[in-house]
Amino acid sequence: SQQGEEDPQALSIQEGENATMNCSYKTSINNLQWYRQNSGRGLVHLILIRSNEREKHSGRLRVTLDTSKKSSSLLITASRAADTASYFCATPLSGGSYIPTFGRGTSLIVHP
Amino acid sequence: EAQVTQNPRYLITVTGKKLTVTCSQNMNHEYMSWYRQDPGLGLRQIYYSMNVEVTDKGDVPEGYKVSRKEKRNFPLILESPSPNQTSLYFCASSWNRGGPEAFFGQGTRLTVV
Repeated sequence: SQQGEEDPQALSIQEGENATMNCSYKTSINNLQWYRQNSGRGLVHLILIRSNEREKHSGRLRVTLDTSKKSSSLLITASRAADTASYFCATPLSGGSYIPTFGRGTSLIVHP
Repeated sequence: EAQVTQNPRYLITVTGKKLTVTCSQNMNHEYMSWYRQDPGLGLRQIYYSMNVEVTDKGDVPEGYKVSRKEKRNFPLILESPSPNQTSLYFCASSWNRGGPEAFFGQGTRLTVV
């Protein structure tokens, strides 16, 4: 099944710094999503980018998509301690565009 | 309020004792999925359903069953649980025409002893 893989697995930064997470996937997709998970809780949708888009913004989030490299990045600007969480990219299940599949995620720690 | 509800939130059971984790969504979503989350392995898909009476295996279906008799409900059944099924389980739903955003339940932490 289609799965994205996030990199790095763990990221530790200071409050105010930017955090960048990357996602690579294997086959062509029509959309890619990013989700956030606070410790042990259900995932929450952050942002979606479609295959015909190169960049998308939402508040302090910036997502890019490079379909030629099959990769995406999530940038969180001016990080806050409250951004501490795990972040997952989600790619569509092959044959079912709107059922997401996930990788291992990036664990982000923002130190106050 | 739009939500996906899983029950129970926590469960400790013994090997071999059949159990069911319920999942219900109130958004009229067509698609529903079950995932398990284990340290270092991320979220792995167990089963998914694209419509009533239509279910398919995900990446790790062994030892699990599901059913989709109604659109809103998608229970996960462990007929004979084993310790390697100790995990954190999530149910999710999403809607084709409304966009692919998936909504997740709060999770069920299962321990099989």
